[in-house]
Amino acid sequence: KAGVTQTPRYLIKTRGQQVTLSCSPISGHRSVSWYQQTPGQGLQFLFEYFSETQRNKGNFPGRFSGRQFSNSRSEMNVSTLELGDSALYLCASSSAAGNTGELFFGEGSRLTVL
Amino acid sequence: GDSVTQMEGPVTLSEEAFLTINCTYTATGYPSLFWYVQYPGEGLQLLLKATKADDKGSNKGFEATYRKETTSFHLEKGSVQVSDSAVYFCALIKIRDDKIIFGKGTRLHILP
Repeated sequence: KAGVTQTPRYLIKTRGQQVTLSCSPISGHRSVSWYQQTPGQGLQFLFEYFSETQRNKGNFPGRFSGRQFSNSRSEMNVSTLELGDSALYLCASSSAAGNTGELFFGEGSRLTVL
Repeated sequence: GDSVTQMEGPVTLSEEAFLTINCTYTATGYPSLFWYVQYPGEGLQLLLKATKADDKGSNKGFEATYRKETTSFHLEKGSVQVSDSAVYFCALIKIRDDKIIFGKGTRLHILP
């Protein structure tokens, strides 16, 4: 069974640009959540989608947005990039039964903003 | 609000040493508790979990016991290996909240 796949793995952007990251969950998983990981703040929850609906949202500005498609694949977008957005962005999926805390993570997309 | 506090790292040990990584939590109700591990260059993996008081989660030689009286879920291993070098995250979830809360992570270095 294929794991969670995130693309791209690495990317470099400049301030003011926007970026879109993609996440393909484990087959059959309908919940996808996104996290930002930085050395100073650790893992911070961005948002969670279940069956194409945003179910939970963390405390991030509106520049951070996401969506989920009917095949459960998810994308997150960050507009007007700032230097502080440099981070590892992790996607996780969980089973169709909902979020039990048992998350399966991808390897992440490492974003560098110059 | 709900939170998870882990001991600051990095923790450096010699191979075959005994490991304890402390984790305490603040939460109303009855959360489920987890330890996740992140090996270099990888995403997080679920290591073990406990869903109610006095439950003991175990996996790969690691253990943690859900202690409601001390609101703790300390991670232990009797004899660590170099391959255990990673970042360890303690986490909780309350099912009705449906949101998982992670600690800041503890980096573990094991020296041969």
